[in-house]
Amino acid sequence: EAGVAQSPRYKIIEKRQSVAFWCNPISGHATLYWYQQILGQGPKLLIQFQNNGVVDDSQLPKDRFSAERLKGVDSTLKIQPAKLEDSAVYLCASSLERNPSYNEQFFGPGTRLTVL
Amino acid sequence: KQEVTQIPAALSVPEGENLVLNCSFTDSAIYNLQWFRQDPGKGLTSLLLIQSSQREQTSGRLNASLDKSSGRSTLYIAASQPGDSATYLCAVRRHSGNTGKLIFGQGTTLQVKP
Repeated sequence: EAGVAQSPRYKIIEKRQSVAFWCNPISGHATLYWYQQILGQGPKLLIQFQNNGVVDDSQLPKDRFSAERLKGVDSTLKIQPAKLEDSAVYLCASSLERNPSYNEQFFGPGTRLTVL
Repeated sequence: KQEVTQIPAALSVPEGENLVLNCSFTDSAIYNLQWFRQDPGKGLTSLLLIQSSQREQTSGRLNASLDKSSGRSTLYIAASQPGDSATYLCAVRRHSGNTGKLIFGQGTTLQVKP
């Protein structure tokens, strides 16, 4: 079974530029998550999708971050414009069941973003 | 608000030693707790998942315990090897609502010396 795929793996941009990340979850997984992991910290949830609907985006900085999951499969996360403090690893995860509280999340390799 | 703390932040041990990593959480109303491993520059690999009704889970040389009433979990690694060197993260899934959001600790970075 293929895992969660993410691209690109690395991205370097200057502040105020825009950037987009892509995630393809494990086939059949209805729930998709985007996490932000700042160096030395644990991951923090940015947004959770159930199929193509948003379940939780309470910690997403909506003035600059946006995410979509068209057709309930793959997803993109965008930052526009980027700030220095956005430098982090962006992790995508997916889980199988309709009640995500019980189920194991599987993580992709992440995208490491550096904002100069 | 749920907070997860991991102690110590870093640990260095000689090969072959048994070791324990600690995780504590402030709100005992959780669905489950998950331990992850993260290698430098990589994503997270799930090691063990303990449901709230369980006391422990075992996989190979790893054993994770859960004490909900005291808000604690431990990850026991037997006969440590250099290949165990990585950052270990624990995360809890909260009880209420339909979100599967994981609340992570900051991790323990383990170095096993040959």
